[in-house]
Amino acid sequence: NAGVTQTPKFQVLKTGQSMTLQCAQDMNHNSMYWYRQDPGMGLRLIYYSASEGTTDKGEVPNGYNVSRLNKREFSLRLESAAPSQTSVYFCASSEAIWTGGKDTQYFGPGTRLTVL
Amino acid sequence: GEDVEQSLFLSVREGDSSVINCTYTDSSSTYLYWYKQEPGAGLQLLTYIFSNMDMKQDQRLTVLLNKKDKHLSLRIADTQTGDSAIYFCAESIRTGANNLFFGTGTRLTVIP
Repeated sequence: NAGVTQTPKFQVLKTGQSMTLQCAQDMNHNSMYWYRQDPGMGLRLIYYSASEGTTDKGEVPNGYNVSRLNKREFSLRLESAAPSQTSVYFCASSEAIWTGGKDTQYFGPGTRLTVL
Repeated sequence: GEDVEQSLFLSVREGDSSVINCTYTDSSSTYLYWYKQEPGAGLQLLTYIFSNMDMKQDQRLTVLLNKKDKHLSLRIADTQTGDSAIYFCAESIRTGANNLFFGTGTRLTVIP
């Protein structure tokens, strides 16, 4: 049981290049999330997928696209990378069966992206 | 919008208690969480509290919630060097999924 896995761990891009960050979870969770973490700003939600087949924008979606490929996998794509997208990217998943109750998010180890 | 604030740094001596504070703005929060992030790693859930509770204790961890002041704190008793990490508070507000809004994180340094 690996939990949430992310690839790659590190990536360096030049401005204008594109890439896709991969995320997979093996916990049969319904919801998945992409965050970015910048110094002094905590984590900010980029996109989320409440359930298979749906995706929605979070707080900072500009410059990103996502695909919920199936229940397990949720990818994040940068079409034309910019230096402002240099950050650490985290994927997370949760059961998200909303009953007004607790719904723990489980995080992957992160991808450190540098855009030159 | 949601605004969750924490102080950025805290240093304590090994064996002392640590208190990490957090303020939030959305009174409709249902659950509030504390996550721990060790260097180079993802976030790991430490504990959580439901918004109708005042206090929750879990071994060395005590969470206090003052809903009137929208203030959350995490107390770590007998702090150890292994507790050195960044601690994030987060509030949960239903917006289609169980979205979390995170604070900026507090970097706890434990001095031997």
